[in-house]
Formats: sequence, structure tokens, C-alpha cells
Amino acid sequence: SAVISQKPSRDICQRGTSLTIQCQVDSQVTMMFWYRQQPGQSLTLIATANQGSEATYESGFVIDKFPISRPNLTFSTLTVSNMSPEDSSIYLCSAGQGGGQETQYFGPGTRLLVL
Amino acid sequence: RKEVEQDPGPFNVPEGATVAFNCTYSNSASQSFFWYRQDCRKEPKLLMSVYSSGNEDGRFTAQLNRASQYISLLIRDSKLSDSATYLCVAHGQAGTALIFGKGTTLSVSS
Repeated sequence: SAVISQKPSRDICQRGTSLTIQCQVDSQVTMMFWYRQQPGQSLTLIATANQGSEATYESGFVIDKFPISRPNLTFSTLTVSNMSPEDSSIYLCSAGQGGGQETQYFGPGTRLLVL
Repeated sequence: RKEVEQDPGPFNVPEGATVAFNCTYSNSASQSFFWYRQDCRKEPKLLMSVYSSGNEDGRFTAQLNRASQYISLLIRDSKLSDSATYLCVAHGQAGTALIFGKGTTLSVSS
């Protein structure tokens, strides 16, 4: 299994600012994903972070609002841009090897509160 | 129709009870299925994979019925520590993300 860490673990931000969340995996992984989990809800996929190319976004999520980087096979960042209170949520990074090994492991999440 | 649907519960059961969770998925092309467990204010953690032949891990048994597009999780001899939200998960094509149900909340009391 992969061990995944995220920074920051939590933050309180002002409306209109941006926050970048970092995700670090302890081993090289093929696939990395970013999810959002709003209070009392299940996980919603934001995007797939592709190494060396632009992320693949799900319906309802756009690059201008959630720019993602993945410079190598162990690291990715998600930026929540121009935040509003509706962006208050838990943001989770996950990773997996793909290629038939479909188990994915999650980071501890970043709790974001936008005032 | 949501891709993965679960009864949200909550299921409130006494210690020692047997409890079953059900889940349906809409995408017949889904290839892999899992149950994840999520404790309050924690990230989801893999509980077990689900196979057509069924699989058992201690007190936990998972079943998959591809014809009915139905997945189940059975917990026997419930413990207080089983209290959590159980997420039913389907996976489509290789290399794609997981699709989560909204979760079923279990509360085991003494």
C-alpha cells in the first residue's frame, strides 16, 4: 500500500484568496486523483492528475478554478482559486497503480474553511 | 440516476448483531468493486474488494451480483469499533478514478 501525506491538514482562508494543497506519496504511483467531500456527503472526483500533462477534469470542475500540477510520479498539488464559502470542504488526494491493480489509497485530507 | 446508490441509514444495532448493507451500481461496464470504511473526520480506508465469487475477511463478507448490478456487505458479530460510514465503490475502466456511493452509516451500541 502507499502512504500519502497532505499539507496543510487544515486552513481557514478569506474569500477571494487561493490555497495550494500538496500531496506526497511515499512511492511512485501511476495514478493520482483529487476528490472533494462536502459535509455529510460522499466523495466527488475533481480531476485526475496526469504526470507531465494537463489534468483531466470532471464535469463541473474547471482548470481556472482548480489548477493541478503533477511534476513527477510521487507529488501533486491542487490549488483552490478565488475561494468562496462554497469551497469549504475536505479535499482528498488519492493514488493508485492502475493497470489492473485498482485499489486506491487516500491521504488524510485537507479541511478548508472559507470565511 | 446516481452511478452508485446506497441506503444512507443510519443503521443502529447492538453489539453482536449481524447487519447487511446493500448497494447498486448503474454502469454495467464497471469492472472492480470495493467497500471502503470512513471514520468520522478521517479519510476513507479500503475495507475489502468485492468479487463475483464472494469473499470473506473475518466477520466481513462481500458479495457481487453482476446480473443485478448489486453489491452487499455483511458484518457478523458487530463490535463497537465497527461504527463508521461504509462506502460502496465501483470502478470503471483501468486507470480511472473510483465512483463512490454516499455511504451507509453504522452505529453499534453496547
